Amino acid sequence: ELKVEQNPLFLSMQEGKNYTIYCNYSTTSDRLYWYRQDPGKSLESLFVLLSNGAVKQEGRLMASLDTKARLSTLHITAAVHDLSATYFCAVLNDMRFGAGTRLTVKP
Amino acid sequence: EAGVAQSPRYKIIEKRQSVAFWCNPISGHATLYWYQQILGQGPKLLIQFQNNGVVDDSQLPKDRFSAERLKGVDSTLKIQPAKLEDSAVYLCASSLDRGKNIQYFGAGTRLSVL
Repeated sequence: ELKVEQNPLFLSMQEGKNYTIYCNYSTTSDRLYWYRQDPGKSLESLFVLLSNGAVKQEGRLMASLDTKARLSTLHITAAVHDLSATYFCAVLNDMRFGAGTRLTVKP
Repeated sequence: EAGVAQSPRYKIIEKRQSVAFWCNPISGHATLYWYQQILGQGPKLLIQFQNNGVVDDSQLPKDRFSAERLKGVDSTLKIQPAKLEDSAVYLCASSLDRGKNIQYFGAGTRLSVL
């Protein structure tokens, strides 16, 4: 059975700090998606990673994909409060989402 | 460009009652998805349509859930009868085509079954 595993599931960080969220998956997919969900809101697409070695950056977030290791990372640089949300990785070929990482950034 | 529209936003019903949700995808999107998102979990696919045909409904509890996409545009998801464990947010998403396209999500319908 396909598994998409994220860790950590909960992350509390101080503003200004860096951290990485990991997404491991068990299929041979060559693309991986990251979504953001604010409380009570729907999912917003952040990144689409289309091939091995792909790296995308938007503001303080940077996502990468290693298809050989079946691993994607979402790196947060100098976190700010506005980044507080739940982040999901997804293997959309197989319609499978991770459980989400609930990020809280504290002053 | 208008996004994915869903209604209602909230619904409270008692167990054994029936309920229906409506979704209007982004214009021109051939593929439509219904997901169930239980609190604290990631979305779980219930059913996927390609135009007005069902592509995947393997995780749809067919004894109580049904869905249709008439004319390949709008879709409705129905639960009859509802159980307590059906309390969740029901998300509709659409994409240009199957498989490798970004899915755009609606705001969802939050269902509470009492």
